Amino acid sequence: GAGVSQSPRYKVAKRGQDVALRCDPISGHVSLFWYQQALGQGPEFLTYFQNEAQLDKSGLPSDRFFAERPEGSVSTLKIQRTQQEDSAVYLCASSLLAQVEAFFGQGTRLTVV
Amino acid sequence: GIQVEQSPPDLILQEGANSTLRCNFSDSVNNLQWFHQNPWGQLINLFYIPSGTKQNGRLSATTVATERYSLLYISSSQTTDSGVYFCAVVGNAGNMLTFGGGTRLMVKP
Repeated sequence: GAGVSQSPRYKVAKRGQDVALRCDPISGHVSLFWYQQALGQGPEFLTYFQNEAQLDKSGLPSDRFFAERPEGSVSTLKIQRTQQEDSAVYLCASSLLAQVEAFFGQGTRLTVV
Repeated sequence: GIQVEQSPPDLILQEGANSTLRCNFSDSVNNLQWFHQNPWGQLINLFYIPSGTKQNGRLSATTVATERYSLLYISSSQTTDSGVYFCAVVGNAGNMLTFGGGTRLMVKP
């Protein structure tokens, strides 16, 4: 497809489980971002890639969160030992270059029970 | 970091009415985008507008970068316009978007 694709759309995890969320950006987009959106709030930045390089991970809330983009295209956000406070929508965005128009995927809604 | 404030936080309109949503930001920006988040959570791009004025159908937007604000105009509102409208900016210190708290719009038939 032409847009940013995320999978799965919904994920239910038991507390303590590890989860992996996938983002397939728009082809050719150099920049890729992950955001976390809590219920009723705006998205908040987690991490930023330029090609395969993770240039900014200042928004990751703990060392349980890890992201990678090994070949500069598809990215995976991994959350280890999930906690209830990790329940949120995780959004991926891509842009042709940094600081230009960004496009978002549909998000993955994570519920930790 | 840069602060983004949106007003009003909530807005209820009758179908056919016009409205203006405001976004104030605390520092100079390299990028400003307006999004509509539909009931399914998808963020839909409305405008990429770091400065100037753009129009797209019933929607238009103006950013006055020197005065650090942007306005989104919705004319002849329709029930399908309901949802949350977000303003987001990229400041000089980084490459990520910083979002405002959103304006929750409900258009009644």
